[in-house]
Amino acid sequence: NFMLTQPHSLSESPGKTVTISCTRSGGSIASNYVQWYQQRPGSSPATMIYENNQRPSGVPDRFSGAIDSSSNSASLTISGLKTEDEADYYCQSYDGSKSVVFGGGTQLTVL
Amino acid sequence: EVQLVESGGGLVEPGGSLRLSCAASGFSFRVAWLIWVRQAPGQGLEWVALIKTNSEGARTDYAAPVAGRFHFFRDDSTNMVSLQMNSLKTEDTAVYYCSTMNWKGYVDYWGQGTLVTVSS
Repeated sequence: NFMLTQPHSLSESPGKTVTISCTRSGGSIASNYVQWYQQRPGSSPATMIYENNQRPSGVPDRFSGAIDSSSNSASLTISGLKTEDEADYYCQSYDGSKSVVFGGGTQLTVL
Repeated sequence: EVQLVESGGGLVEPGGSLRLSCAASGFSFRVAWLIWVRQAPGQGLEWVALIKTNSEGARTDYAAPVAGRFHFFRDDSTNMVSLQMNSLKTEDTAVYYCSTMNWKGYVDYWGQGTLVTVSS
């Protein structure tokens, strides 16, 4: 099994760029795809990034994903922040056999 | 349009049982993997269980906290999945989401969730 660790919270101003990290412990970050989900209060999660860096249709190109083998981490970058981006963000990965793992979530505040 | 509609949540006493159901439509159910993800009040997302296709033997996998107590079933004739939850504990209190997931781990569709409260 492996774990995904995210910062508990981040805060940034509208128009700025923020990067949320997701560090894997137990195995290589490149071993399995990483997804990112956005969850607003009272709503189901929605996919922002899948397969490390792919955006579903309808997700603005302000959202981008990447992985970095040197730090064994994935990242979600949101540029041109808007107040509507304020939400919880979760990284997630599947080990291909038995475990689906979510990061603990990052609460993003835009103010 | 893909729809996943959960039902069966409610209040149950510790040690009791509950069966959640999820009705699926709008996609090819028989080739889909389904998962349950839960979210305790004020907490993050936690994977609960996975079921693969019938052609893959409907293989199931469970998170450690629920293994041996929860059982995941699928019925391709009705496009439904069920999660039988036994020996419930207060820490099982959460909103339970039914979702689809592909073999690359991409959870692409989510239901609206159903609340399970375990309390005396």
